[in-house]
This record gives sequence, C-alpha cells and structure tokens, in this order.
Amino acid sequence: GNSVTQMEGPVTLSEEAFLTINCTYTATGYPSLFWYVQYPGEGLQLLLKATKADDKGSNKGFEATYRKETTSFHLEKGSVQVSDSAVYFCALSDSPQNTPLVFGKGTRLSVIA
Amino acid sequence: ETGVTQTPRHLVMGMTNKKSLKCEQHLGHNAMYWYKQSAKKPLELMFVYNFKEQTENNSVPSRFSPECPNSSHLFLHLHTLQPEDSALYLCASSHTDVNLGNYGYTFGSGTRLTVV
Repeated sequence: GNSVTQMEGPVTLSEEAFLTINCTYTATGYPSLFWYVQYPGEGLQLLLKATKADDKGSNKGFEATYRKETTSFHLEKGSVQVSDSAVYFCALSDSPQNTPLVFGKGTRLSVIA
Repeated sequence: ETGVTQTPRHLVMGMTNKKSLKCEQHLGHNAMYWYKQSAKKPLELMFVYNFKEQTENNSVPSRFSPECPNSSHLFLHLHTLQPEDSALYLCASSHTDVNLGNYGYTFGSGTRLTVV
C-alpha cells in the first residue's frame, strides 16, 4: 500500500538556520507529492507540490524535489524565520487512481530568535 | 479564509448528545473529505465523497455518520460519542481529474471536539 515516512520531530532551529525535513514514500503507481503546513489553531495549508519525477516544488522560500530513484521528497529552506514555526506534513496521492491523500505523521518545527 | 469553512470551531458535547459538524466550500471542487487529527497520531482519513457519492469509509464507527447533500456541503453527524473521539476534525475539498490527477486539498480550520 501507499505510505509516507517523515522524520520525527520536534525540530528546533535558530533563526536563519538551514532546514531539512526528510520524507520518503512508498507507492504502487506514479504519485503526486505534497508538503502541507499547519500553523497553531489552523487547518492544513498546501505549501508546495510536485507531480512527476525531478519536478521541484517551491513556495515561500521552501523547496522540495521529487526524487524517484530514492523515493524521497525532502523539504528544505535556506534561512528559517520564527514565523515558520508550525507542523509540516508530507503527503502523496497515487495516480492515475487519484487515491485520497496519505499523510505522514507530521514534523513540528520550532524556530527561536 | 481558505475557501473551506467549518462550523463550529469548538464543540463540547456529552456522550449522550447528538450534534453535527458542518463544512462548506464554494471552490467548485468535486470531492470532499473528513479527517480526524488526534494528538501524536497521523491524520486519519474518515470519509471521502466524490460528486456527492461516498467512495470511501475507512472503518469508521457508526456513531459517526456523514452526509453530503450537494457538492458544496458536507456534514458529520455525531451521536453517543466516547471520550477517545475527542480530536480536531478537519474537512477538506479538492478537484480531481481522471486524466490530470489530484491538485491537492484545501482544508478548513477544523472543529475542535471535546467529548465529556
């Protein structure tokens, strides 16, 4: 079956540090990959996505590259801010079946000034 | 405002009560979902509706009853819940195309449910 594994948190970084949150997946087809972010007291928001191998999704300084050879979609940001503190979820949807999104467990990021 | 509105934001109910959660979207999406988010557990998919038809029910107890009267509205009817059902209930919608795949979900802010 489809599954997503992401690194356990919490992750605590100082402002302007480099961020990597690892995500690997297992899928039977050709999945689309997503990163969602959840700020305190809110629902999940789509951060970025990639729909095929070697695609790079980017948004708000965050990037992730769809690596089929390593079945990975690691999230990176070169310089984090306090406002990036949130829970980050990696997710996949298998296609062409268009299966519902399968989420990882989430990684809590805390950025301190 | 994400385009998906959930009400109420907070709900406290007794185990013998009956209540309903409401979700509304006017994004033109053709699929809607209920997820349960509990502390220290992965997001759990509960129900999926495509074009108002329920296409997935992930072994959810019958004390949770979904209803999708049209493609813009989704309800979750609750009755005789247990304390372990306390969680954040998230609604999401999406547009899926059989040829182009899944465009990703838009989530509501959730309903924080406490069962006492």
